[in-house]
Amino acid sequence: EDKVVQSPLSLVVHEGDTVTLNCSYEVTNFRSLLWYKQEKKAPTFLFMLTSSGIEKKSGRLSSILDKKELFSILNITATQTGDSAVYLCAVYTGTASKLTFGTGTRLQVTL
Amino acid sequence: GAVVSQHPSRVICKSGTSVKIECRSLDFQATTMFWYRQFPKQSLMLMATSNEGSKATYEQGVEKDKFLINHASLTLSTLTVTSAHPEDSSFYICSARLRGGNTIYFGEGSWLTVV
Repeated sequence: EDKVVQSPLSLVVHEGDTVTLNCSYEVTNFRSLLWYKQEKKAPTFLFMLTSSGIEKKSGRLSSILDKKELFSILNITATQTGDSAVYLCAVYTGTASKLTFGTGTRLQVTL
Repeated sequence: GAVVSQHPSRVICKSGTSVKIECRSLDFQATTMFWYRQFPKQSLMLMATSNEGSKATYEQGVEKDKFLINHASLTLSTLTVTSAHPEDSSFYICSARLRGGNTIYFGEGSWLTVV
C-alpha cells in the first residue's frame, strides 16, 4: 500500500521565521511529488517535483526532492500570517494512476 | 494555471434524496479526474478515479452504488451521492489531471450537508 507521511503534524511560528516541512513516501512506481496549500477550501497547487536535487522556487517558497532517500522538503522563508494553512504533500504513482496524500502539516504564523 | 470548476459549492439535502456534484475542467482536457472526500481536520481521502469514457475505479471501502461517478467527456465528471444520509455530510473535492501531463488541479470543493 502506498504511504505518504508528513511531519510535523502542526507547527506554530512567529512572523519572519523560516520553516521546513517534511514529506517522506513509500510508493510503487513513483512518478512525481506535489505540494499543495489548503486554506478554507480546496488545495491550491504549489510545486511538482519529478527529479532529485533540483530545487523549485516560487517567491519565499522552495522545495526539493530526494528520490534516493524518498523524501521532499518544503521551505518557507520570512513567513507571513498569510502563510497560515495546511500544507499537503501528495505522490502521484503511475501504476494505479492516483494521487496519495499525506496527513498534512498545519502551519500557523503568529504576529 | 489550469482551472477546475466544481458546482455546487454548498448543498443541503434531505436524508434519502440524491445529490449531484459537477466537476469541470474549464481550459484544458482532463483524461483522468479524481474524487476525494475530506473530513474536518483530516487529509483528503481518494474515493475513486474516473477516466473519460470508462467506468470509475473505486477505492476499497467506497460503495460504488452509493457514490455514482460519471465521466462523460474530457471536461466533465459528476459525482452523485444516492440515498444520502447524514453521515455522508462532508467536503467533496474533485481534481483533474492535465491530458498528457502529471500536474493535477483541484476544484473548489463542495460542502454537502444531509439533514
